[in-house]
Amino acid sequence: SYELTQPPSVSVSPGQTASITCSADKLGNKFAWWYQQKPGQSPVLVIYQDSKRPSGIPERFSGANSGNTATLTISGTQAMDEADYYCQAWDSSSVVFGGGTKLTVL
Amino acid sequence: EVQLVESGGGLVQPGGSLRLSCVASGFAFSSHWMHWVRQAPGKGLMWVSGIHNDGSSTTYADSVKGRLTISRDNAKNTMYLQMNSLRAEDTALYYCAREGMAAAGPDGFDIWGQGTTVTVSS
Repeated sequence: SYELTQPPSVSVSPGQTASITCSADKLGNKFAWWYQQKPGQSPVLVIYQDSKRPSGIPERFSGANSGNTATLTISGTQAMDEADYYCQAWDSSSVVFGGGTKLTVL
Repeated sequence: EVQLVESGGGLVQPGGSLRLSCVASGFAFSSHWMHWVRQAPGKGLMWVSGIHNDGSSTTYADSVKGRLTISRDNAKNTMYLQMNSLRAEDTALYYCAREGMAAAGPDGFDIWGQGTTVTVSS
């Protein structure tokens, strides 16, 4: 089965750039989506089709996908960005999520 | 307001059954694929099942095939998840989610409900 691998945790200082990776075989040949989930809340879509931002998502969120790795980048990270982040892709007719990355802003 | 509201969760014994519902409002329900995604306590997201706009096609994660059945009633703007032969490992918060409408190919989940909790325990 297709697996998406994320680092369990990433730390970043306020105002700096955070990068969260999502790796899988030939992931660049597929689209990737990214979700943000804060404690006690439902997931929120922050990046779709590799690099597009839904309405209402700040410009500091960006995405890229090439080769075997998709990357979510948060520029000028703010304390409010502290959350769990999940990548997602489609494998045939099934949905696959990465294991999630806890972003700590300290 | 675009909204998804789940209900039907609860405590059930192993081997038991439960039916979850997801009521949609504020958008054209019959125009979207819909999905169930679950999250075990302290764990990550796991896709469970999806259903075509008109209910003609369904897909399932391997771990739930044969035990969980997804369906929808577009006249009632409602999606269901019939859960049979429940196991302890099915314990989770169950979200319903709307798939977006990409110009080509499948899309991600742009609207999520607040979730309903299923606990399987004796």
